[in-house]
Amino acid sequence: DAGVIQSPRHEVTEMGQEVTLRCKPISGHDYLFWYRQTMMRGLELLIYFNNNVPIDDSGMPEDRFSAKMPNASFSTLKIQPSEPRDSAVYFCASSYGVTSNQPQHFGDGTRLSIL
Amino acid sequence: AQTVTQSQPEMSVQEAETVTLSCTYDTSENNYYLFWYKQPPSRQMILVIRQEAYKQQNATENRFSVNFQKAAKSFSLKISDSQLGDTAMYFCAFMKQSGGYNKLIFGAGTRLAVHP
Repeated sequence: DAGVIQSPRHEVTEMGQEVTLRCKPISGHDYLFWYRQTMMRGLELLIYFNNNVPIDDSGMPEDRFSAKMPNASFSTLKIQPSEPRDSAVYFCASSYGVTSNQPQHFGDGTRLSIL
Repeated sequence: AQTVTQSQPEMSVQEAETVTLSCTYDTSENNYYLFWYKQPPSRQMILVIRQEAYKQQNATENRFSVNFQKAAKSFSLKISDSQLGDTAMYFCAFMKQSGGYNKLIFGAGTRLAVHP
């Protein structure tokens, strides 16, 4: 049973470039989450989707960040233009159902380094 | 607002011994869930164990068990017979139990090193 799949695993790019992170949730899961992990701030929820619709994007730090979910099996997180302070590990997670006891399944993360 | 505190940034234990990781949380909610996630060097976040606040019995998953003290708002993780593969960051997390989706609130994590 495939888990949450993220790509790329590592991304190194120069400041000002556009960065796109990709996520394929577990089939059948109707919730998708994007998190950012840094040493200073720990794990932060950026945005989550329910049935492909963005529900809460209050964690998105700036307008430079955008996320889409064009279908149930694919989501992207885009940063444009990127800045060095965006360097972090970005996780995608998915879960099934609205009840709180459904655990979130995480991908392996994308380590993003902005030079 | 809910907060989760892990007061031990780093812990170490010898292989085969037992170690306890601490977690406290602050909430005015009565119904909620608590989780422990493990993040090994591979970076993957793996759910280790979860506890429903309405259950008095402590959750157990093989070598992992919790000590849930609701009145004290404490949720510690005990790892018995530690193995080298237990080396990882461990995150305690809180989630309200109410209608619709509720955020997972994570603690800052405890880095556990298991030594041979």
